[in-house]
Amino acid sequence: NAGVTQTPKFQVLKTGQSMTLQCAQDMNHNSMYWYRQDPGMGLRLIYYSASEGTTDKGEVPNGYNVSRLNKREFSLRLESAAPSQTSVYFCASSVTGQSLYEQYFGPGTRLTVT
Amino acid sequence: EDKVVQSPLSLVVHEGDTVTLNCSYEVTNFRSLLWYKQEKKAPTFLFMLTSSGIEKKSGRLSSILDKKELFSILNITATQTGDSAVYLCAVQGAQKLVFGQGTRLTINP
Repeated sequence: NAGVTQTPKFQVLKTGQSMTLQCAQDMNHNSMYWYRQDPGMGLRLIYYSASEGTTDKGEVPNGYNVSRLNKREFSLRLESAAPSQTSVYFCASSVTGQSLYEQYFGPGTRLTVT
Repeated sequence: EDKVVQSPLSLVVHEGDTVTLNCSYEVTNFRSLLWYKQEKKAPTFLFMLTSSGIEKKSGRLSSILDKKELFSILNITATQTGDSAVYLCAVQGAQKLVFGQGTRLTINP
């Protein structure tokens, strides 16, 4: 099992460019999440998908869109990148249908917007 | 608004020392508190705590939750250089995990 995989590992964008971060999990988890991590800020939730076909906003959704393509895949799109979106992005997944669960994280994507 | 606060934000100790990391929270519909260790890349799961007063233990690491006072501690005894990492506390509310800022722990040989 690969667990949670993310692509790309690194990306540099110019302001105004668009890109999609890809995430896939092979653990048959129902829920998937996108976080960003900035120095001194911990992890902040951007969007999440409790189950296939549903998505909801997290704490910092502005400037992002998501697609839950199927049960395995959850992508994050930046339509018009801004320097404030320079961050490390983590995808995570977890089992739902249980009252208590842990999240498994991917290796992260380091994004720089110039 | 849900909030998780960790202290200290940074800690430097010598190998062999014992450290205590703190996590306090204000979260509606509390379900569990989780500790993660983050080295270079992705956070890795350490503990999940749901009940007050019951210590979870894994080797030199242990953690306990106080649901009345709304905090948890993570203890690491006989620290090693491999314990150097950022330790994240997260509290699960109704649907989402809320993370603290993390404590950066550095163990010097």
